Amino acid sequence: GAVVSQHPSWVICKSGTSVKIECRSLDFQATTMFWYRQFPKQSLMLMATSNEGSKATYEQGVEKDKFLINHASLTLSTLTVTSAHPEDSSFYICSTSSGTGSENQPQHFGDGTRLSIL
Amino acid sequence: QKEVEQDPGPLSVPEGAIVSLNCTYSNSAFQYFMWYRQYSRKGPELLMYTYSSGNKEDGRFTAQVDKSSKYISLFIRDSQPSDSATYLCAMSVGNTPLVFGKGTRLSVIA
Repeated sequence: GAVVSQHPSWVICKSGTSVKIECRSLDFQATTMFWYRQFPKQSLMLMATSNEGSKATYEQGVEKDKFLINHASLTLSTLTVTSAHPEDSSFYICSTSSGTGSENQPQHFGDGTRLSIL
Repeated sequence: QKEVEQDPGPLSVPEGAIVSLNCTYSNSAFQYFMWYRQYSRKGPELLMYTYSSGNKEDGRFTAQVDKSSKYISLFIRDSQPSDSATYLCAMSVGNTPLVFGKGTRLSVIA
């Protein structure tokens, strides 16, 4: 069964709207979650690493003020796309790990959120 | 040279064929090797996970890692139309984020 739940699965909204995506770890406590973005027919691009109780680590080129990440509990991380524009339309996927100790492997992914900005 | 190279395909095979999917990598420090299957508009699903050279088998799937050649493979026996998907290899060093291949699109024709 699924170990990572992501919600919503699909969002369509107007330009300028802020959209929040939730990622829940169902079977285990996750100190680290990852947020990816995927364009059609392309591989996953890591956006940021979300750490419980501390600030997220963003990859180069990802605007931290645009993509707000909150990881307030061991089972929930949220990604908020602020003032979304059509170029933010993409498939956003979160992942977490069932690994023990300091190892973050293997990672399990949510089913993704398809974001369409009109 | 990219860290992980994977032929994007598409690869089309008849039902029942043996499928071979491959990735090469340049970073000899990679320790963990994974294969994910991704259906259209879904998140990647973990198929195989290995951390040493050699073979690992799970049902119709066999993952092979050759660290000396920096080469990993996924074999699918008795392929089914339901195996049609994009297959992503991924690897990492310890606690670092995964590095993905581009993914290979597979179509199994009934």
